[in-house]
Amino acid sequence: NAGVTQTPKFQVLKTGQSMTLQCAQDMNHNSMYWYRQDPGMGLRLIYYSASEGTTDKGEVPNGYNVSRLNKREFSLRLESAAPSQTSVYFCASSVMVAGTTDTQYFGPGTRLTVL
Amino acid sequence: AQSVTQPDIHITVSEGASLELRCNYSYGATPYLFWYVQSPGQGLQLLLKYFSGDTLVQGIKGFEAEFKRSQSSFNLRKPSVHWSDAAEYFCAVGLARGGNKLTFGTGTQLKVEL
Repeated sequence: NAGVTQTPKFQVLKTGQSMTLQCAQDMNHNSMYWYRQDPGMGLRLIYYSASEGTTDKGEVPNGYNVSRLNKREFSLRLESAAPSQTSVYFCASSVMVAGTTDTQYFGPGTRLTVL
Repeated sequence: AQSVTQPDIHITVSEGASLELRCNYSYGATPYLFWYVQSPGQGLQLLLKYFSGDTLVQGIKGFEAEFKRSQSSFNLRKPSVHWSDAAEYFCAVGLARGGNKLTFGTGTQLKVEL
């Protein structure tokens, strides 16, 4: 049982390049999330998917797109990377029980640098 | 919208001393409250959570937290800190009904002096 896995662990991009961050969970969770973590700002929600087939914007969605490929996988795409997107990206998943919040489980993160 | 404040950016304690990390939230309804810990270069690990019931909750690694509705607080405590507790600690609040998003505080960096 690997929990939440993310690839790649590290990535360096040039301004304007595109890339996709991959996330998968094997806990049969229905909800998945993408966060970014910047020094002094905690974690901020980029996008989330409450269930397979749905996605919604979080607090900081500009410059990103997401795809909920199936119940297990939730990818984050940067179409044209900018230096302001240099950050550590975390994927998380949780069970949604009767419409209420439950514990989110986090992956190890992807450290992205945009030059 | 809900918000979370962790007023202490950095805290330094001696090994064996007691610890209290502060967390205040702003939310009009009953919140779900969480404490997570992040070791350097790692993801976040759940320490404990409060959904309802007993306001003093026990977590892993000897941590506990107390929900005080009157003070809108959910402070994290440990009676005796170990050097391995050095990490960053995040408080988070979620909606009790109708949602599954969490709002995180900005974190408290804990340093443990030997």
